[in-house]
Amino acid sequence: ETGVTQTPRHLVMGMTNKKSLKCEQHLGHNAMYWYKQSAKKPLELMFVYNFKEQTENNSVPSRFSPECPNSSHLFLHLHTLQPEDSALYLCASSQAGTGTYEQYFGPGTRLTVT
Amino acid sequence: AQTVTQSQPEMSVQEAETVTLSCTYDTSESDYYLFWYKQPPSRQMILVIRQEAYKQQNATENRFSVNFQKAAKSFSLKISDSQLGDAAMYFCAYRTGDNYKLTFGKGTLLTVNP
Repeated sequence: ETGVTQTPRHLVMGMTNKKSLKCEQHLGHNAMYWYKQSAKKPLELMFVYNFKEQTENNSVPSRFSPECPNSSHLFLHLHTLQPEDSALYLCASSQAGTGTYEQYFGPGTRLTVT
Repeated sequence: AQTVTQSQPEMSVQEAETVTLSCTYDTSESDYYLFWYKQPPSRQMILVIRQEAYKQQNATENRFSVNFQKAAKSFSLKISDSQLGDAAMYFCAYRTGDNYKLTFGKGTLLTVNP
């Protein structure tokens, strides 16, 4: 595997379910990100992890719970979601720090909450 | 707060022609970076081109070039000799020099007509 991978690619879940999204980067980066992409809206940054430490939580509801066990893996645990949480969830990684470090994105998980 | 505005929700271009996508941003910072990302249908978002604010010279990557007008806070993307594979959603993004958070615009959907 190369780049940033995400599983599953598609997920349908009920509002009472618990599921997890997984992201893995094979680029040697030390910063990882979760974004939410909804139609007609800019990408919304949800969480940032820098060297496994959460450095940003953009007022995300507690029904979204991130986990970063190491610099290569990032999870997003989901529970009691709402239909408005249906969206494409993108993971990204980059080198941490200043400079023109670009973010590399995964293919996303298309989440549908029924 | 920094904002990024893409005023063209959709654009279309004939194959082999040139198209320009607009982006404006609002910031009080002097040290920042600007990016254009491309998201093809159902495929991963990839970086197209980047520009450091301290550089006066406009960035160029093969058929892609930018027109960076710092005083006007404008950062447009020009695609020359458009190809069918250029069809995608294009996002303009901004980050400050000391923070790796990206702020995205809402995107411009580019259609390339054969």
